[in-house]
Amino acid sequence: GAVVSQHPSRVICKSGTSVKIECRSLDFQATTMFWYRQFPKQSLMLMATSNEGSKATYEQGVEKDKFLINHASLTLSTLTVTSAHPEDSSFYICSARGDNYNEQFFGPGTRLTVL
Amino acid sequence: AQSVAQPEDQVNVAEGNPLTVKCTYSVSGNPYLFWYVQYPNRGLQFLLKYITGDNLVKGSYGFEAEFNKSQTSFHLKKPSALVSDSALYFCAVREDSNYQLIWGAGTKLIIKP
Repeated sequence: GAVVSQHPSRVICKSGTSVKIECRSLDFQATTMFWYRQFPKQSLMLMATSNEGSKATYEQGVEKDKFLINHASLTLSTLTVTSAHPEDSSFYICSARGDNYNEQFFGPGTRLTVL
Repeated sequence: AQSVAQPEDQVNVAEGNPLTVKCTYSVSGNPYLFWYVQYPNRGLQFLLKYITGDNLVKGSYGFEAEFNKSQTSFHLKKPSALVSDSALYFCAVREDSNYQLIWGAGTKLIIKP
């Protein structure tokens, strides 16, 4: 099956700093990538959808200037949390979809803790 | 509007007994239905999907799900539960024309020895 990786798996940063999370499709070309946020004991919340070479489409209520998404290639998308604050602490999960697949393949997630 | 309901926050089952995790959905077009499992502090793992064809779908780890169009349901089942099945289970749906998934709230499955 298709594999998606995320890096880092865990990150702790100070308030006010920026953090970059990478999402890679390892064995297929990801036409579309999705970024989710998950709060403890809750379901996934879609933050944005990105297509390779295009600007990301953000869901209502998600600040595009705070959560910068870049999908520069068919195998890599990055999420940068800018000027992070403690309320940004969460579990961030990416997923990817290729043209030959009906489903999304999920990365293992990144636990962000902002002190 | 599209929606997914998982009516049970938590399901408790004794090891060896059959388990069912419920999911109902609402979409305007043809539904594509998915079940995912999430272990603590981990990403989601795909279990199974229904796109078309047989209403009974078999997936990973001995799980299966039955698509019931009249009841708009896609309940997850396993004949004999294992303690290692304890995890958080998510049902998701999308329409055939839209790749964005709509997620259920999740059901915590606890299998007791």
